[in-house]
Amino acid sequence: DAGVTQSPTHLIKTRGQQVTLRCSPKSGHDTVSWYQQALGQGPQFIFQYYEEEERQRGNFPDRFSGHQFPNYSSELNVNALLLGDSALYLCASSPRPTGELFFGEGSRLTVL
Amino acid sequence: EDQVTQSPEALRLQEGESSSLNCSYTVSGLRGLFWYRQDPGKGPEFLFTLYSAGEEKEKERLKATLTKKESFLHITAPKPEDSATYLCAVQANNAGNMLTFGGGTRLMVKP
Repeated sequence: DAGVTQSPTHLIKTRGQQVTLRCSPKSGHDTVSWYQQALGQGPQFIFQYYEEEERQRGNFPDRFSGHQFPNYSSELNVNALLLGDSALYLCASSPRPTGELFFGEGSRLTVL
Repeated sequence: EDQVTQSPEALRLQEGESSSLNCSYTVSGLRGLFWYRQDPGKGPEFLFTLYSAGEEKEKERLKATLTKKESFLHITAPKPEDSATYLCAVQANNAGNMLTFGGGTRLMVKP
């Protein structure tokens, strides 16, 4: 049973560029959440997707947007990248919007 | 606003030297308190969920406990493979399954 899978694992971008990160949830899970983890800090909630709609959003600017597809997979898009966007981006899936979270290995984004 | 504070930030133990990690929290109605283990460059790995004060859960050398204001992760006779960052997070009643994390405790166990 595959767990949560994320791609790419690592990527390097320059300031002002745009990035798209992808996530496939654990089998049987329909809810996907995204978290940002800066080096040495705990993860911070970005948003949650359920039934192809954004259901909850943390304190992140509109440059951060997402999408959920009918097969429950999800994308995180970040526009106009800043140096401060450098972080590990974690995807977590759950069997329902209030269920237990299972995390993927993350996508490490470096902005130069 | 929900808040989680973990202490100490870093902890160095000798193999076999038992200790405890602290997680203090404030939350508007606790649905659950979660402990995760995170290895460098990896995603958090679920350890425990605690739902009410007085609850305890154990897994191998780890035991988690919960009061109304804090949680402890007790590590008994740790081994070098227990070295990792341990994250505590709270989930509020009115917040779906959103987790608010603390900053973590970096544990290093030396042989």
